[in-house]
Amino acid sequence: DTGVSQDPRHKITKRGQNVTFRCDPISEHNRLYWYRQTLGQGPEFLTYFQNEAQLEKSRLLSDRFSAERPKGSFSTLEIQRTEQGDSAMYLCASSSRGGGTRAYEQYFGPGTRLTVT
Amino acid sequence: GIQVEQSPPDLILQEGANSTLRCNFSDSVNNLQWFHQNPWGQLINLFYIPSGTKQNGRLSATTVATERYSLLYISSSQTTDSGVYFCAPGDTDKLIFGTGTRLQVFP
Repeated sequence: DTGVSQDPRHKITKRGQNVTFRCDPISEHNRLYWYRQTLGQGPEFLTYFQNEAQLEKSRLLSDRFSAERPKGSFSTLEIQRTEQGDSAMYLCASSSRGGGTRAYEQYFGPGTRLTVT
Repeated sequence: GIQVEQSPPDLILQEGANSTLRCNFSDSVNNLQWFHQNPWGQLINLFYIPSGTKQNGRLSATTVATERYSLLYISSSQTTDSGVYFCAPGDTDKLIFGTGTRLQVFP
């Protein structure tokens, strides 16, 4: 169990540029989640996948945001035409929804810190 | 949606002290987790506890789902306990995080 990994860990970009983040979940986990955390706040839910299907999207996820999980393994989160308000920590989590007492428990990656200048 | 309130917002302790962190939530839930966010931003799982009581070393947690609150107990605090503690209940897989309790433990 190597844990959830995210790449890159830090990204600085200029306003208007596109950025893409990657998340690799724990290998046997079939659910994958994206959250966003701004300074002084708790993480906010963005979207989640079960295998390759995107099951729910928050209203926080504007049209400039798109997430994919093409083969039900890793996921990417793309932000187009970045704005300064997009500056935040983007967190990925995964869980195994397979019954038993550990269903629903989410494990988080280290996050990608995005700074838009 | 579910509203989450954590108290106290800030807590300063001397090493060895005990503390209780509280989480109130507005609706029934079937999922609740406690996390510790360390100074580098990593969220570390402490407990998955939608109901009942669990203990892990110096930490324990209790959730009373019918009364919509959860408590996290930290005993004999250490400087490494410093950071932000988040409660995150949810009604599906979507966790709703509170604003956290910032804990500082001094030697």
